[in-house]
Amino acid sequence: NAGVTQTPKFRILKIGQSMTLQCTQDMNHNYMYWYRQDPGMGLKLIYYSVGAGITDKGEVPNGYNVSRSTTEDFPLRLELAAPSQTSVYFCASRKSGLNQPQHFGDGTRLSIL
Amino acid sequence: GENVEQHPSTLSVQEGDSAVIKCTYSDSASNYFPWYKQELGKRPQLIIDIRSNVGEKKDQRIAVTLNKTAKHFSLHITETQPEDSAVYFCAASKEGFQKLVFGTGTRLLVSP
Repeated sequence: NAGVTQTPKFRILKIGQSMTLQCTQDMNHNYMYWYRQDPGMGLKLIYYSVGAGITDKGEVPNGYNVSRSTTEDFPLRLELAAPSQTSVYFCASRKSGLNQPQHFGDGTRLSIL
Repeated sequence: GENVEQHPSTLSVQEGDSAVIKCTYSDSASNYFPWYKQELGKRPQLIIDIRSNVGEKKDQRIAVTLNKTAKHFSLHITETQPEDSAVYFCAASKEGFQKLVFGTGTRLLVSP
């Protein structure tokens, strides 16, 4: 049981490039989340999903897109990378039901130069 | 929407002392309050959580208390150890609301 797995762990992008951050979980969790964490700051919600085929915006969705074609996978897409998107990105998942805790992946450290 | 405030932003204690981190929330309907610990360069990890039907929960050296009337909850760490040094985040959520709202974090430094 690997939990929440994120790839890659590190990536450097040039301004204007695109990339997809991968997130997969093997716990059969319906709920999945993407957060960004800027240096020394808290977690800001980018997008979330309550099940396959359903996604919704969080606090800071601009510049990102997501899809949820399967229960296991929740990729995050950056279309035109900007320096302001330099951050650590965390994916999380949780079970359905009341008051279930979120479980986080190890994060992807992304630098845009 | 829900707003969670967390204090202090940094906390320095000597090994063996107690540490207390406080959070206040704005939505009286919130009923789930987890605490996460994030070591440097690592993922946030759940250390304890409390639901609104209880006022206190303990797990070894860690305890969380909840005051629903005042809308605040606190993390208490007793007999602190250097390995407790990390950033701690509180969060709040409510029934039927799929998202957690996080506090801004407290950096705890435990000096030997």
